[in-house]
Amino acid sequence: QKEVEQNSGPLSVPEGAIASLNCTYSDRVSQSFFWYRQYSGKSPELIMSIYSNGDKEDGRFTAQLNKASQYVSLLIRDSQPSDSATYLCAVNPEGSWGKFQFGAGTQVVVTP
Amino acid sequence: DGGITQSPKYLFRKEGQNVTLSCEQNLNHDAMYWYRQDPGQGLRLIYYSQIVNDFQKGDIAEGYSVSREKKESFPLTVTSAQKNPTAFYLCASSPGTPSYEQYFGPGTRLTVT
Repeated sequence: QKEVEQNSGPLSVPEGAIASLNCTYSDRVSQSFFWYRQYSGKSPELIMSIYSNGDKEDGRFTAQLNKASQYVSLLIRDSQPSDSATYLCAVNPEGSWGKFQFGAGTQVVVTP
Repeated sequence: DGGITQSPKYLFRKEGQNVTLSCEQNLNHDAMYWYRQDPGQGLRLIYYSQIVNDFQKGDIAEGYSVSREKKESFPLTVTSAQKNPTAFYLCASSPGTPSYEQYFGPGTRLTVT
């Protein structure tokens, strides 16, 4: 079983709709969670971090964390063609000193 | 401007040659990391360093070496012992505790023929 799992996609989303991305992780004591956006051929860009159960909103992005169920999700509201990218979920297990576990990423395609 | 720089952007080498990839940051971050990404794959950790003069192997350290003589710099050498060196190499840095948020440089695309 992979430590961090994401659906590879592609997730096709009409422009203006909500894109919903999910990530599950195996390390029960993980404390911090991150979402990165990676455009084709480019490096990952940090878009959200979340540390506590519940929702965290930043612009059109909302991260949701449920530690009991060991999942973290990312919602992209009012999806735009510029949101077409691969989204990577990263987990920092407790005591790992920043040795992240990355998922393989979900490709999102926003169609006009 | 604060940030992470990697050079060169593209690098071509012949098999059997060692090559060193540069990574510099001016964010005053304590921790630095090297990852490898292959087409359609996730990130795999090669080496990481929490403080100057100290570094640890990641998941795929064989065939690679690093040094951390300065806080700002964390160069990666891809040696001839690395069997499949062609990949996209990413350097990241982090302020460390408590959040360990990592920020990535633009990457170096290495092709070995």
